[in-house]
Amino acid sequence: DTGVSQDPRHKITKRGQNVTFRCDPISEHNRLYWYRQTLGQGPEFLTYFQNEAQLEKSRLLSDRFSAERPKGSFSTLEIQRTEQGDSAMYLCASTLVEGGDEQYFGPGTRLTVT
Amino acid sequence: EDQVTQSPEALRLQEGESSSLNCSYTVSGLRGLFWYRQDPGKGPEFLFTLYSAGEEKEKERLKATLTKKESFLHITAPKPEDSATYLCAVQANDSWGKLQFGAGTQVVVTP
Repeated sequence: DTGVSQDPRHKITKRGQNVTFRCDPISEHNRLYWYRQTLGQGPEFLTYFQNEAQLEKSRLLSDRFSAERPKGSFSTLEIQRTEQGDSAMYLCASTLVEGGDEQYFGPGTRLTVT
Repeated sequence: EDQVTQSPEALRLQEGESSSLNCSYTVSGLRGLFWYRQDPGKGPEFLFTLYSAGEEKEKERLKATLTKKESFLHITAPKPEDSATYLCAVQANDSWGKLQFGAGTQVVVTP
């Protein structure tokens, strides 16, 4: 059990550019969540996968955001035409449906849009 | 709408000075209440899950309790390494497991 990993850890991009983040969940965890956290706030839910199916998206997730989880393993979160308001920490968490309800978080990807 | 409010926003303690953090919540059908610890620049680290009023969980110097409207995280005789932001989150029965977080309490423990 190596924990949830995320890549990259930090990303600086110019407004209008596209960025993609990757999350590798704990092996065999079938639920994967994306959250966004801004300074001084708790994480906010963005979207959720069970295996490869995306089952829920928050209203926070505009059309510029898209997430995938091909083959039910790793997941990617893409932001198109980034805006300064997208600057935040993007967190990924995973859990096992048949296990407890606790979610295990990765270290996050810090996005700065200049 | 589900809501989680944590107080105080920040807490400064002397080493050994016990205290409690509060998490008030409103949720349509609570499945579970979670406590996490978050260090600067890192992801939240799971501490406890509480499911029903009256339940208590302990881990080292931390004890979490739950009532029908709030949860408390008690820190007994804290040490500087307990300095962190403590996050409370609720999970509703119909939520596909997503967590609704409070803004957190930032705890600083000085020697």
